[in-house]
Amino acid sequence: AQSVTQLDSQVPVFEEAPVELRCNYSSSVSVYLFWYVQYPNQGLQLLLKYLSGSTLVKGINGFEAEFNKSQTSFHLRKPSVHISDTAEYFCAVSRSGYSTLTFGKGTMLLVSP
Amino acid sequence: DVKVTQSSRYLVKRTGEKVFLECVQDMDHENMFWYRQDPGLGLRLIYFSYDVKMKEKGDIPEGYSVSREKKERFSLILESASTNQTSMYLCASETGTGYGYTFGSGTRLTVV
Repeated sequence: AQSVTQLDSQVPVFEEAPVELRCNYSSSVSVYLFWYVQYPNQGLQLLLKYLSGSTLVKGINGFEAEFNKSQTSFHLRKPSVHISDTAEYFCAVSRSGYSTLTFGKGTMLLVSP
Repeated sequence: DVKVTQSSRYLVKRTGEKVFLECVQDMDHENMFWYRQDPGLGLRLIYFSYDVKMKEKGDIPEGYSVSREKKERFSLILESASTNQTSMYLCASETGTGYGYTFGSGTRLTVV
């Protein structure tokens, strides 16, 4: 079975600062990795995904993530955040070739002026 | 854009009631999923379906059942609602493995 650990439950940051949201996974088989964002009172929206190939993945809204197999990590980064990035971010993993996702507990990104 | 519609945004039900949560997607997706979301616990998979009349248990199926009579509709059923089923319920669909989910806006269910 796969599992996901999001190391920070909350990350406060000032507007225009860079941010990194950390995600580590555990799996004995190859995996697909995803980041989703949830704005208040909404469902989740796909930010980006890694299936195979290049380990640096670019997503929507200026976010990117890097797959590191040796460290079993898939950290999400943005070089300059906006107030509108305030949301909860979820990392998720599935076994390669399977659809069911295991989600982390989420990281709340709080962007202040 | 794919749209996943959950029929109710908020529901309040009494303990012991049978509750139906409906989910409809409009893009002919094969795969559909039901998750519940609780603070500090993230999302947990209840049931999923890869085809009409097909269903598979997820990680926390106890107290729930599902129905998929048509490809576009995936219903979650709480046979006898209990207070520990108070939660946000999220439906999602996916066109195929690895494409990523499209989520509905969720149904916040309160059982009193």
